[in-house]
Amino acid sequence: GENVEQHPSTLSVQEGDSAVIKCTYSDSASNYFPWYKQELGKRPQLIIDIRSNVGEKKDQRIAVTLNKTAKHFSLHITETQPEDSAVYFCAARIIIQGAQKLVFGQGTRLTINP
Amino acid sequence: GAVVSQHPSWVICKSGTSVKIECRSLDFQATTMFWYRQFPKKSLMLMATSNEGSKATYEQGVEKDKFLINHASLTLSTLTVTSAHPEDSSFYICSAQQGQITGELFFGEGSRLTVL
Repeated sequence: GENVEQHPSTLSVQEGDSAVIKCTYSDSASNYFPWYKQELGKRPQLIIDIRSNVGEKKDQRIAVTLNKTAKHFSLHITETQPEDSAVYFCAARIIIQGAQKLVFGQGTRLTINP
Repeated sequence: GAVVSQHPSWVICKSGTSVKIECRSLDFQATTMFWYRQFPKKSLMLMATSNEGSKATYEQGVEKDKFLINHASLTLSTLTVTSAHPEDSSFYICSAQQGQITGELFFGEGSRLTVL
């Protein structure tokens, strides 16, 4: 089955600096890669996603890159702000027997230091 | 985006009792819903895929008789934790799929279960 590895598990950056979180996946059939932000005790919120036919996508301070050959995808947050502090999860979607299945990475706890 | 509501948001129960958690899609019909379990500081682990009008598909290692899932309508799926034990204490989150199998998933608020 699909396996998603996420690194680092924790990340601390100074406010204004950039943060990068990386994920790898195992199943080449995966075709959709969302990123979620989860604050303590809250539901995951979709912040950006990328499909397998695109190599990069950007939304203001957030960007995601995908390397299908290497099965890598990364989240880039620029000009970080204290409110960016949260746990971030990558995920990979695979379609199995007519149903989608989303497999999550282990999560990265991002702390933005003022 | 679409709204998914989960209830209750938290529940405390005694060992041996059963607890039902509801997941509702408020403004769209969801033929498929998913139930996840999340331990503290851990990732979301898929427990089962719930399909309206049919039996749920459980992930390997998830006890069907322990975690009963019912998806009786296009807007409601329920998860019942039967004969709960302290090790069942966790954060349970549902998500609902909008539209086709490639549709975006929308998450409920989550339900924190504590079994004493």
